[in-house]
Amino acid sequence: DVVMTQTPPSLSVAIGQSVSISCKSSQSLVASDKNTYLNWLLQSPGRSPKRLIYQVSKLDSGVPDRFSGSGSEKDFTLKISRVEAEDLGVYYCLQGTHLPHTFGSGTKLEIK
Amino acid sequence: EVQLVESGGGLVQPGRSLKLSCLASGFTFSNYGMNWIRQAPGKGLEWVASISSSSSYIYYADTVKGRFTISRDNAKNTLYLQMTSLRSEDTALYYCARGRSSYWGQGVMVTVSS
Repeated sequence: DVVMTQTPPSLSVAIGQSVSISCKSSQSLVASDKNTYLNWLLQSPGRSPKRLIYQVSKLDSGVPDRFSGSGSEKDFTLKISRVEAEDLGVYYCLQGTHLPHTFGSGTKLEIK
Repeated sequence: EVQLVESGGGLVQPGRSLKLSCLASGFTFSNYGMNWIRQAPGKGLEWVASISSSSSYIYYADTVKGRFTISRDNAKNTLYLQMTSLRSEDTALYYCARGRSSYWGQGVMVTVSS
């Protein structure tokens, strides 16, 4: 199985600061169709996960452009510029290239 | 508006069975692969099973293979998860999710305990 190593496990940031979350996979996530199926999800407190970014860097509809994704092959980053209070929660990376699909262990974002 | 509504959860004894349902609306259900994903209390997310749009392709996590069966009825816009030989470690909030996790339901709780 592909192991997704996500760091850091937690972050505490002030409103307006920027943060980055890393996700490294044990195998390349480039699929046979040349797409890279790496998603970023946010689970706000008491809520279901919500996808923010798909295929490394494509923002889902309605997601603020403060969120951005980058990376390739085995190394990926989620960046949140100008953190707002509504951004708190647990962020997960998810690879959908290989079966079984696997998640990172999560990064808990807290607001100072 | 895309909606996924899970049902069928509850408290069940070890070794017993339970069947979850996920009713989809707001999109053409038969066009999308679907997934079950679970989250044990206080833990992270674990992919459980996937099924292609026409049920041609079905995949399971090793932890549930041979015990769980994913299926769908495109005429009823409904995804199912039949769970048998339940264990305490199957206790979790079960989510259905569309396609490549683009939309998630609110989840349904399954508790396996004597």
